Amino acid sequence: GQNIDQPTEMTATEGAIVQINCTYQTSGFNGLFWYQQHAGEAPTFLSYNVLDGLEEKGRFSSFLSRSKGYSYLLLKELQMKDSASYLCAVKDSNYQLIWGAGTKLIIKP
Amino acid sequence: DGGITQSPKYLFRKEGQNVTLSCEQNLNHDAMYWYRQDPGQGLRLIYYSQIVNDFQKGDIAEGYSVSREKKESFPLTVTSAQKNPTAFYLCASSGWGDADTQYFGPGTRLTVL
Repeated sequence: GQNIDQPTEMTATEGAIVQINCTYQTSGFNGLFWYQQHAGEAPTFLSYNVLDGLEEKGRFSSFLSRSKGYSYLLLKELQMKDSASYLCAVKDSNYQLIWGAGTKLIIKP
Repeated sequence: DGGITQSPKYLFRKEGQNVTLSCEQNLNHDAMYWYRQDPGQGLRLIYYSQIVNDFQKGDIAEGYSVSREKKESFPLTVTSAQKNPTAFYLCASSGWGDADTQYFGPGTRLTVL
């Protein structure tokens, strides 16, 4: 079967750095996506990785290792508004997105 | 101003009634999707459509129906056959390719009483 694993919840301090991990086992791989979802709202797109390595976008970076079936989302200089759930999703061989359950990130002052 | 709209944001229905959730996009995207989100779970695909007048079942299509008569519109009907319809419903659209990102509407929270 297809599976995406992420930690259920993480806590970090304002101004710090946090890394959210995602491991996957899917039938085929056509890219990995990270989304941010605030409570009660729709997911918004953060990043896309299809080749191994690090993609940086301002305070957010995303890393991919296809051989290990592993990705992480790195958030720097954490702000209170970063409190949200972070969803990892993999596009499989049928070009369908397989979603993880999300990681709820709690930021403390 | 391009985007995806869903209405209404909150919807209440009595058990046994069918209800239709609307989704409209003006992004000129070919593909549209309906997902269901329950607390503590990932998004689950209900139906998707790659082109007008064609749609495919997702992982949890039972109790739901859709139509795609126009490129811009992809309404979802939650029928009385759906056993646990109370959930957050999300519509998304995208181009069709490996790098095409799905963009989401604001969602409709359906509560069946």
